Amino acid sequence: QSVLTQPPSASGTPGQRVTISCSGSSSNIGSNTVNWYQQLPGTAPKLLIYSNNQRPSGVPDRFSGSKSGTSASLAISGLQSEDEADYYCAAWDDSLKKVVFGGGTKLTVL
Amino acid sequence: QVQLVQSGAEVKKPGASVKVSCKASGYTFTSYDINWVRQATGQGLEWMGWMNPNSGNTGYAQKFQGRVTITRNTSISTAYMELSSLRSEDTAVYYCARARRLGRGYWFDPWGQGTLVTVSS
Repeated sequence: QSVLTQPPSASGTPGQRVTISCSGSSSNIGSNTVNWYQQLPGTAPKLLIYSNNQRPSGVPDRFSGSKSGTSASLAISGLQSEDEADYYCAAWDDSLKKVVFGGGTKLTVL
Repeated sequence: QVQLVQSGAEVKKPGASVKVSCKASGYTFTSYDINWVRQATGQGLEWMGWMNPNSGNTGYAQKFQGRVTITRNTSISTAYMELSSLRSEDTAVYYCARARRLGRGYWFDPWGQGTLVTVSS
């Protein structure tokens, strides 16, 4: 059981916009910023979004993040086949004194 | 470019220990925390702990307290994660990751390529 809650799966067709939610509590998302990681099949996770809504250099602006209260979301617009991957949200938890992850969302491009 | 390169796959028997290395390049090793995260096959990401390579200070997830030790050798820009009293449930890919910190944010970039540790009798 993950501390942050994500839907296990999401899907969309090429060109569509999809969103992935991440729900937490006051000790994690409510107090700290949220990060998103993309894990392509068979590879290590890669930073996608940091500090709620910041994109590292090289990440397309099709990817965007937002946070409100104790929830966050990742939006992917103009969906492409190469976006098919697992997506994880993460944040520091002040009560547990550790980094907590969501269970991951498997994105399928139909 | 900033890179973390981990040691190769390991096969261990239950009760043994494993030590995984993570060699950093492309940046000043002592300027950023190193964290360890593991992932069992088909499962999600699980945070294990962090280390400040400059001071050697560490912090571990309660689940691994007493079994995990993160150390470093600054002369060769390498961090290590040792996990003892291995059991079958420890079979997983272990990742190191460089941490960045800003205000209330703490994120990982980049990650090492991962090291598969298999625990089997």
